[in-house]
Order: sequence, then C-alpha cells, then structure tokens
Amino acid sequence: GNSVTQMEGPVTLSEEAFLTINCTYTATGYPSLFWYVQYPGEGLQLLLKATKADDKGSNKGFEATYRKETTSFHLEKGSVQVSDSAVYFCALRSYQKVTFGIGTKLQVIP
Amino acid sequence: NAGVTQTPKFQVLKTGQSMTLQCAQDMNHEYMSWYRQDPGMGLRLIHYSVGAGITDQGEVPNGYNVSRSTTEDFPLRLLSAAPSQTSVYFCASSYSRQGGTDTQYFGPGTRLTVL
Repeated sequence: GNSVTQMEGPVTLSEEAFLTINCTYTATGYPSLFWYVQYPGEGLQLLLKATKADDKGSNKGFEATYRKETTSFHLEKGSVQVSDSAVYFCALRSYQKVTFGIGTKLQVIP
Repeated sequence: NAGVTQTPKFQVLKTGQSMTLQCAQDMNHEYMSWYRQDPGMGLRLIHYSVGAGITDQGEVPNGYNVSRSTTEDFPLRLLSAAPSQTSVYFCASSYSRQGGTDTQYFGPGTRLTVL
C-alpha cells in the first residue's frame, strides 16, 4: 500500500532560520502530493500541492518540489516566523484515498 | 460558505455507549471522509464516500459505521464506544469523486474521550 514518511519532531528553530522538513513516499501510479498545516486547536488546511513530477508548489514563502526519482516532497522556507509554529503534514492522494504522514511539529522561538 | 462543520466539538462517553458525530459541508462536494488523529500516528482514514448512497472502508473502519443519504451530510456512528476510540476526529470533503488532484477541506474536529 501507499505510505508517507516524515520526521515527527519537534523541530525547534529561531526566527529567520531556514526550514526543511523531509517527506518521502511510496506509492503505485502517479499520486498528487500535498503539504497541510494544522494550527493549535484547528483542523488541517492546505499549504501547497504538486500534481505531477517536477512540479513546484509554493505558498506563503513555503515551497516543495515533486521529485519522482527520489520519491520525495521536502518542505522548505527560507526564513521562518513565530507565526509558522504549527504541525505540518505531508500527504499523497492516489485516486480516492489519501495517505498522511505522522506530522512534524515546528516550534519557532523569537 | 460555512465550509465543513462538525458537531459536537467535545464529547465524553462511557464504554459501551453509542453516539453519532455529525459532519456537513455546503460546497457541493462529492467526496467526504472521516479521519482519526492520534499522537505519533498522524491521520488515519476511517471511512469515505464518493457520493450520496456510496460509502467504502478506509484503513481503520472497525467499530464505526457511516451512511451518506445526502450530498451535504456524512455522519459517523460509534456503535459501542471503547477506550481505544479516544481520539480527535476530523471530517473532510473535496470536489470530485475521483479524488486525484483535489484539495481536501477539513472541519474543526471533534475531541472524543471514552472512559
């Protein structure tokens, strides 16, 4: 079956530091890849997505590139802010089923 | 648009009790799904539906029932609650029944505790 692997964290960074959260996947076919973000006490919301190989998704300074050769979709941001503190989920969608990673908690300190 | 709504926000049950978690969306989405979120396990798919009258099992369906009588509503029923069902439950919807590239829209969640 499909699977998504990401570190659980927490990842603690100082404000303005560079962020990378790794995500790798296994899937049959050609899935779409997503990053969702969950702020405390809320549901998940889409951060960015990529629907085919070599696509780059970007939003709010975050970006991730769909790498089919390495089956990866790593999330990056050049300069994090305290307001980016949240849990980040990598996910893949293959037809009707969505598979999530375990989520990575990010803490940004001033 | 209200998006995806869930009720209740919090619930405490005793072992063996039954209850229904409500989920509704006003975006005319065909696809709806239920997940449970547990520490260290991410989100796991319980059941999903690709349209009114059509439901299917996800990764962890045991102990839960669903039905989809309308496009808007997708309730999740716990038949006989067990402590292992203590979790946060999220409902989500997306546009098409095929899924594919669609973004999912999530409700705010229901935090359920089973004593």
